[in-house]
Amino acid sequence: GDSVTQMEGPVTLSEEAFLTINCTYTATGYPSLFWYVQYPGEGLQLLLKATKADDKGSNKGFEATYRKETTSFHLEKGSVQVSDSAVYFCARGTSGTYKYIFGTGTRLKVLA
Amino acid sequence: DAGVIQSPRHEVTEMGQEVTLRCKPISGHNSLFWYRQTMMRGLELLIYFNNNVPIDDSGMPEDRFSAKMPNASFSTLKIQPSEPRDSAVYFCASTDGKTSVSPQHFGDGTRLSIL
Repeated sequence: GDSVTQMEGPVTLSEEAFLTINCTYTATGYPSLFWYVQYPGEGLQLLLKATKADDKGSNKGFEATYRKETTSFHLEKGSVQVSDSAVYFCARGTSGTYKYIFGTGTRLKVLA
Repeated sequence: DAGVIQSPRHEVTEMGQEVTLRCKPISGHNSLFWYRQTMMRGLELLIYFNNNVPIDDSGMPEDRFSAKMPNASFSTLKIQPSEPRDSAVYFCASTDGKTSVSPQHFGDGTRLSIL
């Protein structure tokens, strides 16, 4: 069935390090793709999205490119900050409904 | 603008008691979702409504769980009777559904502990 697979966490980085969180999906067709972020004690917040192949979503220094050929939507940031410490969720839309399929989440911890 | 509002933020109760979680979606949004988040199972979709009508309740764990949306500005998730394994954070989310990529907006959740 349709699914979203994220890399296992936790990911621990030093401040200003480069971040990559891998995300791949299975789907028929070309679903919309999303990254959400969850800070401690809060709900999920939309970080960025992409709606078609080769689209690049970006926000707050984070980027992800919709790669149809590899069915991937990896999240990247060139220089992480302590304040980026959170759980990151990759998600895809489903055709004909408003449902999302979420990945399991990847916890990021950034050390000063 | 007000976001999705959930109440209560925290609930602690003894097993066997009825629990009611409440959600007020963003005004103008026509789809509403209830999720449950646990360490073991991650984020699970329980049920979603479109224009106040339940569309997919396949994620509702069992008959002890029920959800209603009597109008466009209010929804409840009820657990009766509650059990310790129901302990989790429950999120409500809404979307305006204007396009296929309209994002879901989440509330801050209700942390439920069943003793």
